[in-house]
Amino acid sequence: EPEVTQTPSHQVTQMGQEVILRCVPISNHLYFYWYRQILGQKVEFLVSFYNNEISEKSEIFDDQFSVERPDGSNFTLKIRSTKLEDSAMYFCASRDRGPKNEQYFGPGTRLTVT
Amino acid sequence: QKEVEQDPGPLSVPEGAIVSLNCTYSNSAFQYFMWYRQYSRKGPELLMYTYSSGNKEDGRFTAQVDKSSKYISLFIRDSQPSDSATYLCAMPFSGGYNKLIFGAGTRLAVHP
Repeated sequence: EPEVTQTPSHQVTQMGQEVILRCVPISNHLYFYWYRQILGQKVEFLVSFYNNEISEKSEIFDDQFSVERPDGSNFTLKIRSTKLEDSAMYFCASRDRGPKNEQYFGPGTRLTVT
Repeated sequence: QKEVEQDPGPLSVPEGAIVSLNCTYSNSAFQYFMWYRQYSRKGPELLMYTYSSGNKEDGRFTAQVDKSSKYISLFIRDSQPSDSATYLCAMPFSGGYNKLIFGAGTRLAVHP
């Protein structure tokens, strides 16, 4: 069964460093998302991506964040200068075209900023 | 008022019990309703997906939507220890690219 994959599973970085989180969405899916979940809190939307551009972003997704689909399979989230409060689980999700809204999530990357 | 509200629990039940998990929402424009299951430190796994009001059954799981009350439920019959997880309700925000709005999640423990 196709699934969303993410790497790395755990990333530890120092405050101010840049990190890139990687995702491989399900191959025939067209819509891609990043969400994050701070420990003990809700899963919250960061950004959606369709047709090679950002389609929607949340207030959290400020200038420190960027997304890219560098080739036909990968989807990345970059945080330029990490802050302590960026420590969270980051989930990538994807969905197919059409009226169905079923989004499939990857296993997540746990980001720890020290 | 929060868009999606869900009692975080924890909910502890004996094996074999019927479990009822619930969410309320405020936005009457929500048309699709999802339940995800999340094991500790893992990604949300899509469990059930329903459109508009009514019931949908899949094995031991039944999802119920009452749009007039803005209330959705997930029932688990014959609960098993492997059902121990956090259950998240989620609704896509229509009018955009369907970002999901999640509830806080209810932590369920099924003990043998």
